[in-house]
This record gives sequence, structure tokens and C-alpha cells, in this order.
Amino acid sequence: AQTVTQSQPEMSVQEAETVTLSCTYDTSENNYYLFWYKQPPSRQMILVIRQEAYKQQNATENRFSVNFQKAAKSFSLKISDSQLGDTAMYFCASRGTGFQKLVFGTGTRLLVSP
Amino acid sequence: DAMVIQNPRYQVTQFGKPVTLSCSQTLNHNVMYWYQQKSSQAPKLLFHYYDKDFNNEADTPDNFQSRRPNTSFCFLDIRSPGLGDAAMYLCATSGLAGGGVNEQFFGPGTRLTVL
Repeated sequence: AQTVTQSQPEMSVQEAETVTLSCTYDTSENNYYLFWYKQPPSRQMILVIRQEAYKQQNATENRFSVNFQKAAKSFSLKISDSQLGDTAMYFCASRGTGFQKLVFGTGTRLLVSP
Repeated sequence: DAMVIQNPRYQVTQFGKPVTLSCSQTLNHNVMYWYQQKSSQAPKLLFHYYDKDFNNEADTPDNFQSRRPNTSFCFLDIRSPGLGDAAMYLCATSGLAGGGVNEQFFGPGTRLTVL
């Protein structure tokens, strides 16, 4: 069984600063996928970034990047140059290969202030 | 734009009165999912359809049913809503049940209130 743990219920950052959201996971799968989803207040959940476990290179999407430490089973999200629109709940999630359900962490609420 | 659409966005029902939530997609994805998300919690998978094959999660109450009449539409039926069923219900789709990343695309959700 897979588990995902987000130890930071809430984080705050000022506009233009950098913030890192933590995520650890546990899985018995040899290959799997990791995701960060963003859920703004009253808006739909969207995929921010994804990482395939067999790829050693950390994924990057514009201001969003991950620090994937496979041995430590850690998958943190770094948001650079934070913007007010980054205010949202962020969920870390994992999924095995084949059809397996997405396992979510409990989420981190990020508030970006001016 | 291809998308996942949920109607209505807000639904109010009475205790015990059946309610149906709707999801449609223009992505032509063969997998559709229903999640329940309570306040400040992670989404909880209720069930999914792989094409016409229905897959229920072991801990999903019998009170929750689903229908998928065609590729584009999927419905969530709550036969006798209780106060504890008040939540946001999210519909999601993905392209394949098999290998590959197959990210899930989420709809905006329906917020259900039970009076």
C-alpha cells in the first residue's frame, strides 16, 4: 500500500519569495509516479508538476520545481517568485504503474501575501 | 477547450432525499472517477469507471451509486443523503487505466449541502 505524508498543514510566504512544501511517501512499487496538485479556493484542482520515479532528473515547470530524493522517499515542491495566485491548497500524490488509484497527502495550505 | 464539467456547482438537498450529481467530459477519456472531499481534507476515491466497467472502493457506502451511460457522461447518485454526506464531490478523468503517467483531470466540483 502507498502512503503520502505532508507534514506542513499551513505555510505562508510573501510575494516574490521562494517557498518549499514537503512531502514524503512510502511505496513497495518499483516504479511509480508522483504529483503535486493545486486547489485554489473554490476552484478546481489542477496538476502543477509530475515526476516519474525512474527519472533521476528533477521535474521543472516554470516557477515550480521538485526535489525528488528517491532513497529518502521525499518529493518536495519549490515555488520560486511566489505570486498571489499561488495561494491554494497543495496536495502531494502518488500512483503506481498499471491502474492504481491516486493516493493523496492531507494537503498544505499556502498563503501568499503582498 | 477540452474539459471536465460538473453540474450543478452547488446542490442543496434534504436529509434522505435522493440526489444526482452530473459530470461530463470532452476529453474522450476512458476512465472517470468520483471523489468525495470534505473540508480541509484530501479527496477520497469513491469509485471509478474504466469504460463501462464499474470499480467500487471497498469502503464506499452502498448509499453511493454511479452510472455511466456513455463515454462522456457519468452520474453520482446518493440514494439517501445523510448529514455526513455533505461535502465537495469531484469528478476526474484520465486517458488510460494502464501504463504511462495518465494524469487525472479534475472538474470544478459540486458542493453538496444536506439540510
